[in-house]
Parts: sequence; C-alpha cells; structure tokens
Amino acid sequence: AQRVTQPEKLLSVFKGAPVELKCNYSYSGSPELFWYVQYSRQRLQLLLRHISRESIKGFTADLNKGETSFHLKKPFAQEEDSAMYYCAPNENSNSGYALNFGKGTSLLVTP
Amino acid sequence: NAGVTQTPKFQVLKTGQSMTLQCAQDMNHEYMSWYRQDPGMGLRLIHYSVGAGITDQGEVPNGYNVSRSTTEDFPLRLLSAAPSQTSVYFCASSSTATSYEQYFGPGTRLTVT
Repeated sequence: AQRVTQPEKLLSVFKGAPVELKCNYSYSGSPELFWYVQYSRQRLQLLLRHISRESIKGFTADLNKGETSFHLKKPFAQEEDSAMYYCAPNENSNSGYALNFGKGTSLLVTP
Repeated sequence: NAGVTQTPKFQVLKTGQSMTLQCAQDMNHEYMSWYRQDPGMGLRLIHYSVGAGITDQGEVPNGYNVSRSTTEDFPLRLLSAAPSQTSVYFCASSSTATSYEQYFGPGTRLTVT
C-alpha cells in the first residue's frame, strides 16, 4: 500500500508566485519526515527535515499530524527552485537505514 | 573525502547478462541503501544494510543481490538482466552521526536491451 502520496507529478508556477508541494503520509506513530531535492544533473540531497524546523532556501515544511501531511512551501518561487522534490518519511527513525520516498513532484518555475 | 561514489556511470547490458554496480563511501556510515529511479515511480528501495554483514530487502528486491563485507562497500548485483531493470540506480549512506541524513551517489544509468 502506498504510504507516501505526492499528488502532483508536475507543478508549474511563475517566478515570484507562492508554491506548495503536497505530501501526505499514512504511517502510524510519529515518523521522521524529510524533503529531498534533485536539481538537474545533480545528485539527490537533503532539503530539510521536520525535526529541525528550519527554513532552507526559503522553503519551510510543517508537520500536520491531524492531516498526516508535510507540505513544502515557499512564498516566492525562484527559477533556480526548478527541480524534482521528494517527500520521504522514515517510519523507524531509530534505524535510519532507508527511506520510503514518494513518487516525487517536478517543480517548474517559469519567468 | 569523496562521499558516496558509484561506478560505472553508464552501462548497457543485453538481456540475461549479469553485472555488479559498485558503491563505496568514505564517511564511515553504518547504513547503506540502493534505490532505483524510474519515471512516474519515484525512488524505490531495492536493498539496504545496517552494517557490515547485515543486509535486508526493500520494496523491489527481485533480480538483485547485495552483500556488505566492509563498512565502505555495498555492491549491487544483477543476476540475469531484464529490460524491466532499465533504470537509474542510486546508492546512499547515512549514519546516526548525521541524524540519518541520506547521502547519495551520482547514480548509474543502466539500459538493458
């Protein structure tokens, strides 16, 4: 069964517009949640994690346990934000050996 | 410090051939994983390891074998390649010291004809 849902395969926004990439999970308990990003011709890298509650490159993500969501948001999108974004809950953060990635959302920011 | 390295970068195989994708990390990470990336499917976990000598299956293990004889290396073996294994393969490592942040290799693009 699908445990991570990223409903949008492709999201296209104009530069300067707000952007929200959706992620819903169906794990029980309290998984640790990550957002990873893959820019063109680069390797996957961590963007942010919910535990740290930080803002990276203007992106934030709030864990909503009631809605089981971890949406990624940025108030003003930039062209350099164009990339593939993956939501990744880790059901058992005590092991930390692997992540169950969503199918990803391709973000395209146009001028 | 090279991080996570993978070889080869590209490979073309014929159906039925076998090969090994190499993965190495120099960060002394306990955990290593293999993923495949396919359009519309995202990243799917093939196999993972929590330490030398310990491996386990992920979501899509069929047709692949792994071993972890050292902390540094985690090769992925395709026993008899099939066109369905055409994909981009990523190796990743993580550690308690990095709060489980996954460090990815550059990937291997495999085509099976």
